[in-house]
Amino acid sequence: AQSVTQPDIHITVSEGASLELRCNYSYGATPYLFWYVQSPGQGLQLLLKYFSGDTLVQGIKGFEAEFKRSQSSFNLRKPSVHWSDAAEYFCAVAAASGGSYIPTFGRGTSLIVHP
Amino acid sequence: GAGVSQSPSNKVTEKGKDVELRCDPISGHTALYWYRQSLGQGLEFLIYFQGNSAPDKSGLPSDRFSAERTGGSVSTLTIQRTQQEDSAVYLCASSPAPGTKAQYFGPGTRLLVL
Repeated sequence: AQSVTQPDIHITVSEGASLELRCNYSYGATPYLFWYVQSPGQGLQLLLKYFSGDTLVQGIKGFEAEFKRSQSSFNLRKPSVHWSDAAEYFCAVAAASGGSYIPTFGRGTSLIVHP
Repeated sequence: GAGVSQSPSNKVTEKGKDVELRCDPISGHTALYWYRQSLGQGLEFLIYFQGNSAPDKSGLPSDRFSAERTGGSVSTLTIQRTQQEDSAVYLCASSPAPGTKAQYFGPGTRLLVL
């Protein structure tokens, strides 16, 4: 069975500082990987996704993530955080094949941005 | 274009009552998912619809929970005889034709069972 671990429940950074949110997954084959962001009172918005090819994936809002198969990781990064980035971030993994697709989500990391 | 919409946005009910939550997916999206998000928790998968196939109900926590999707579009999640532990945010997501994998989420329905 697939699983996702986001080891950090909360992350606090200063505005303008760099950011890295950790995500480790468990899956027997090549996975599909996603990062979503959830602002307070909102649904989830897709930031970026990895299906295949280049292991460094660019997303919206200046975010990027790198797929490292050897470490089973898909960490999210941003070089300079803005106050508006404060939100909950979810990593998700899904099977790369098969008609029934149900992704597994991590428990989320809450990002706090200090001015 | 219009995104996924959910109604009501908030629902307060008394223990033992039935509730219906509605989801309008993005037009043309064949896949529809329901999730439950409890305070401080991740997303708990409930049910998945794909086209005309039988839904995957493997995530429904009890037989008090059911869902249907009419005409391949609108979906309704029904919780019968609500319990306090049902209090959560219920999120709906839709996805285009199989293979794209990315999901588009609605804003959720916040359910409070007193």
